[in-house]
Amino acid sequence: QKEVEQDPGPLSVPEGAIVSLNCTYSNSAFQYFMWYRQYSRKGPELLMYTYSSGNKEDGRFTAQVDKSSKYISLFIRDSQPSDSATYLCAMSANSGAGSYQLTFGKGTKLSVIP
Amino acid sequence: DSGVTQTPKHLITATGQRVTLRCSPRSGDLSVYWYQQSLDQGLQFLIQYYNGEERAKGNILERFSAQQFPDLHSELNLSSLELGDSALYFCASSAISRGGWRAGELFFGEGSRLTVL
Repeated sequence: QKEVEQDPGPLSVPEGAIVSLNCTYSNSAFQYFMWYRQYSRKGPELLMYTYSSGNKEDGRFTAQVDKSSKYISLFIRDSQPSDSATYLCAMSANSGAGSYQLTFGKGTKLSVIP
Repeated sequence: DSGVTQTPKHLITATGQRVTLRCSPRSGDLSVYWYQQSLDQGLQFLIQYYNGEERAKGNILERFSAQQFPDLHSELNLSSLELGDSALYFCASSAISRGGWRAGELFFGEGSRLTVL
């Protein structure tokens, strides 16, 4: 079993739809949870960051972490064509000596159709 | 623009050859990370350097090596290349090595696309 599982999609939705992206993980030591967005031919960029369990909202984006179920989600409200990108979940544990290497999901490719 | 610069952007070479990928981190960032991204494996952590010293190692093959220089730029050396090494190689940098609330914030370059024929 991979440490982080993410449905690769692709996912296609109409503009204005609510999008739900999810990841599951197996490593109980993960305590930092992130979502990165990657546009075509670009490097990933940090979108949302959550420590431990709970919700975090930033504009149209909401990140949820359920550590008991080892499940994280990203919701995008009122999706826009500019949201079309690949979304990667990422997680890290404090591996000591100041190293916070990230474990990424494979990414979900999202297309928002005007 | 993340502030992380990678060269070259594209590289085509033959099996058995050796290439060097270069990364300049964001100004002031001491940590450099190398990741490999392929369609089937996703983004895989290779190695991390902090202020010139190796800090963590991931799924890096023995044919691959890296270093970080005193000016903080880093190079990833790939040798005895195989077809399966074709991938996007990303460099990322971060300011925080000892944790803190933004421990996971990596700033990625645009990647070097390696094609091995």
